[in-house]
Amino acid sequence: KAGVTQTPRYLIKTRGQQVTLSCSPISGHRSVSWYQQTPGQGLQFLFEYFSETQRNKGNFPGRFSGRQFSNSRSEMNVSTLELGDSALYLCASTQQAGETQYFGPGTRLLVL
Amino acid sequence: SQQGEEDPQALSIQEGENATMNCSYKTSINNLQWYRQNSGRGLVHLILIRSNEREKHSGRLRVTLDTSKKSSSLLITASRAADTASYFCATAYEKLTFGTGTRLTIIP
Repeated sequence: KAGVTQTPRYLIKTRGQQVTLSCSPISGHRSVSWYQQTPGQGLQFLFEYFSETQRNKGNFPGRFSGRQFSNSRSEMNVSTLELGDSALYLCASTQQAGETQYFGPGTRLLVL
Repeated sequence: SQQGEEDPQALSIQEGENATMNCSYKTSINNLQWYRQNSGRGLVHLILIRSNEREKHSGRLRVTLDTSKKSSSLLITASRAADTASYFCATAYEKLTFGTGTRLTIIP
């Protein structure tokens, strides 16, 4: 099976812009989770989607949103970008919540 | 916020030696997982231990779990240069919550 893919791999934006990141899970996986990784805060959970429904959400402002499509592909959107949003954004898929997660390579976002 | 705290934050050992990393957590868990991350790339799952298990092995990896002390340890035996990476524990309850990580450096 193909692994989790994320696009784009690298992105440079300026403050105030918005960005959309995409994640394609492993075939058959219906749960997709998103994480933000920064040197200062480490790995922080953003949200989890299962069958097009957001099942869990981390402590992030409303500027961070996501959705999942019927084919389980997921997107996350960050509006009104801030310098502090510069991070590695990781997507992971799993067959069952709380079990082994399979991570994509991540999207590295730089906000200038 | 992180649930798990890992100790030590960084560890350097000679190739061939054993490496031990510890993870402490605060709340109830269904299982605890260990992941490896190389140089800011995606995480790779290493091993999962359930709350009713005390020890688990996978190749050169040995994981222990003590739910009474809310702690886990990861032992890598006979370390290799390729084991150089960051290692994270993650506790699973309603969601997966990651620890702060241990940066392991294997010196050839």
